[in-house]
Amino acid sequence: EDQVTQSPEALRLQEGESSSLNCSYTVSGLRGLFWYRQDPGKGPEFLFTLYSAGEEKEKERLKATLTKKESFLHITAPKPEDSATYLCAVQPYPEDSNYQLIWGAGTKLIIKP
Amino acid sequence: DSGVTQTPKHLITATGQRVTLRCSPRSGDLSVYWYQQSLDQGLQFLIQYYNGEERAKGNILERFSAQQFPDLHSELNLSSLELGDSALYFCASSVDPRTDTGELFFGEGSRLTVL
Repeated sequence: EDQVTQSPEALRLQEGESSSLNCSYTVSGLRGLFWYRQDPGKGPEFLFTLYSAGEEKEKERLKATLTKKESFLHITAPKPEDSATYLCAVQPYPEDSNYQLIWGAGTKLIIKP
Repeated sequence: DSGVTQTPKHLITATGQRVTLRCSPRSGDLSVYWYQQSLDQGLQFLIQYYNGEERAKGNILERFSAQQFPDLHSELNLSSLELGDSALYFCASSVDPRTDTGELFFGEGSRLTVL
């Protein structure tokens, strides 16, 4: 069964303390892996798409990486405004999913000043 | 601003009632998705429409229905409401997941409270 698991569920960091969020997945074939940011009471905001193992994408203090079994979202020197829930989703090949994304439960990141 | 517009932003109603949530996708996007997110729960896929036709169904209850109109806006109808239907309902749009990479662009959501 296709599955996406994110860890940890919650992460509290001091401002400037770098860390990583994990997204592990089990799908028969991966078309794409997506990272989103969600602020409380708001809709998810698209961050990155990764397609193949070894690929990396960066945006400001965030860097996403992909292996054949998992993706990491690295946060370097975070600021309080980086506090949010980070969601991971995978898109299996169409014959398995009709293009629907499979979502993880998210990691709630709290950055203390 | 994602370009996806949802109305109303907040809605309070009573059990047994019916409500309609509205969504206008980004300009040029043909596909519309509806998701439900309950308190501290993950995103639950409800239904997808592509260019007016139903494309895929997720965990949508029989009391819920949706449609996409010729101008591509979509409506989600929730009837015989129960307390457990209280949630944030998100609409998302994309170009065409068959040819595009499939990024979804979400609206701000409609917060439904059933009393």
